[in-house]
Amino acid sequence: SQTIHQWPATLVQPVGSPLSLECTVEGTSNPNLYWYRQAAGRGLQLLFYSVGIGQISSEVPQNLSASRPQDRQFILSSKKLLLSDSGFYLCAWGPLGGTGVSGNTIYFGEGSWLTVV
Amino acid sequence: SQELEQSPQSLIVQEGKNLTINCTSSKTLYGLYWYKQKYGEGLIFLMMLQKGGEEKSHEKITAKLDEKKQQSSLHITASQPSHAGIYLCGADRSGTASKLTFGTGTRLQVTL
Repeated sequence: SQTIHQWPATLVQPVGSPLSLECTVEGTSNPNLYWYRQAAGRGLQLLFYSVGIGQISSEVPQNLSASRPQDRQFILSSKKLLLSDSGFYLCAWGPLGGTGVSGNTIYFGEGSWLTVV
Repeated sequence: SQELEQSPQSLIVQEGKNLTINCTSSKTLYGLYWYKQKYGEGLIFLMMLQKGGEEKSHEKITAKLDEKKQQSSLHITASQPSHAGIYLCGADRSGTASKLTFGTGTRLQVTL
């Protein structure tokens, strides 16, 4: 069966420091990978998605970047964190070919709490 | 403006009571997904609806998608404390389905 792991679970970082959140998926090949952020009162916002190694699409302009160095690894980074980067970050994966056509869905990791102080 | 509107934003019900959560889109959807989230945790997939008029049930939770595929409801029968959490609807707008857009969620509390 497929599993998704995300770490660290909790992170407190000072303003201006770098960030690296990692996500790996097991039990599947060529997944679509996603980074979402959940901020208080703003729902779940898609930040980045990737349909393959080195292929990253950004949904919103921001202080963050994403990379996919391996098929099942997705990394969320920042060179200098801002206070507004605080939030709950969720990694997710979906099957190759997408969800609606194949009738599948997107599966989420446990999330990472980031507090920028 | 939010592309997916969920209502109500929060809900407090007594154990054993029924409740309904709504999700509305201004555009036709290729698919509508319901997830549940415990605060500070990941999302758990509940159900997916693709066809107009479709209805699915799992245990005491029933989800429906209207014929126009723009509105969905999630109904819980005889609510229990285990139903408490945040319910989010997600929409597939593309058809090729690589991304889901989410509503702001409905926070459900179930009192004894």
